[in-house]
Amino acid sequence: GNSVTQMEGPVTLSEEAFLTINCTYTATGYPSLFWYVQYPGEGLQLLLKATKADDKGSNKGFEATYRKETTSFHLEKGSVQVSDSAVYFCALSSGSARQLTFGSGTQLTVLP
Amino acid sequence: DTGVSQDPRHKITKRGQNVTFRCDPISEHNRLYWYRQTLGQGPEFLTYFQNEAQLEKSRLLSDRFSAERPKGSFSTLEIQRTEQGDSAMYLCASSFGESGNTIYFGEGSWLTVV
Repeated sequence: GNSVTQMEGPVTLSEEAFLTINCTYTATGYPSLFWYVQYPGEGLQLLLKATKADDKGSNKGFEATYRKETTSFHLEKGSVQVSDSAVYFCALSSGSARQLTFGSGTQLTVLP
Repeated sequence: DTGVSQDPRHKITKRGQNVTFRCDPISEHNRLYWYRQTLGQGPEFLTYFQNEAQLEKSRLLSDRFSAERPKGSFSTLEIQRTEQGDSAMYLCASSFGESGNTIYFGEGSWLTVV
């Protein structure tokens, strides 16, 4: 079956530090890959996505590249801000239903 | 476009009572999903509809859980005879098209069973 493994948190960084959150997956077929973000007290928001191998998703300074050879989709940002503090979820979708399978989430706290 | 709307946002109920959550998807979206999220975990898929047809319900947690989407628009998720283990956030999401494309989430309905 499908599964997503995320780097365990929590992660605490200083403002302007470099961020990497690791994500690897197991899936049948050719999944699409996503990063969702959940700010305190809010619902899940799509951050970025990639639908095929070697695609790079990017948004708000965040990037992730779909690596089929390593089954990975690591999230990176060159300079984090306090406002990036949130929980980040890696997810994949595949099959006819296209439902999402999520990782367990990584809590990021950015200190001023 | 007002996004995916869920009601109520918070519900406290006594063990053994029934609860119902409502979801209004984004208006042109034909697919509607229900997920459950417990503290410290990612959302877990429960069921989904394409228009009014419930195409996957094997992931519903027990026969106490049921969902409907009678006219292919809003949906309800009912939990009968609630148990303390049902305490969680119930998320609704929707998407458009056969392939699903991007799935948009509501803000969730928090359930606390006491």
